Amino acid sequence: QKEVEQDPGPLSVPEGAIVSLNCTYSNSAFQYFMWYRQYSRKGPELLMYTYSSGNKEDGRFTAQVDKSSKYISLFIRDSQPSDSATYLCAMETGNQFYFGTGTSLTVIP
Amino acid sequence: EAGVVQSPRYKIIEKKQPVAFWCNPISGHNTLYWYLQNLGQGPELLIRYENEEAVDDSQLPKDRFSAERLKGVDSTLKIQPAELGDSAVYLCASSSRAWGGELFFGEGSRLTVL
Repeated sequence: QKEVEQDPGPLSVPEGAIVSLNCTYSNSAFQYFMWYRQYSRKGPELLMYTYSSGNKEDGRFTAQVDKSSKYISLFIRDSQPSDSATYLCAMETGNQFYFGTGTSLTVIP
Repeated sequence: EAGVVQSPRYKIIEKKQPVAFWCNPISGHNTLYWYLQNLGQGPELLIRYENEEAVDDSQLPKDRFSAERLKGVDSTLKIQPAELGDSAVYLCASSSRAWGGELFFGEGSRLTVL
């Protein structure tokens, strides 16, 4: 079993839709949780960074962490074509980072 | 402030040839990582440095891969000799805290081995 599980998609939604991206994990030692956006032929770009359970909002993006269920989510409101990318979840413990395989998202105009 | 800088962005070589990738982390970031990313996969750790010390190189294929971070700033990752299966993106990342913290990536070096 992988440390971090993420549905690879692909996910295709119409512009303006609410997008939900999810990851599950098995290691209860994970302390920090991140979401990265990766455009084609680019490096991953940090979107959201959270420490504790609960919600963190930044513009159209909301990151949710549920440590009791070992489940994290990223919600994108009013999705735009520019949101089309691969989204990677990542988790950290002891300065070691573990990544999901990424979910490919396409927002159709 | 400049981000993580990597070069070259693209490299095409024939198998058995050597190749080297260079990374300059964000200024002040003591922790530097080299990751390997295959198509459709998440980054996989090759080596992690705390300043100039390699503190985790358990996933680095030491028969052909080597890395160094002299003076605890920029770093070089070398493959010699390259194999067809080494074709991938090599990502460098840096972090500002010894334990946890935000991880920032460079644009990556895309290697194609023919």
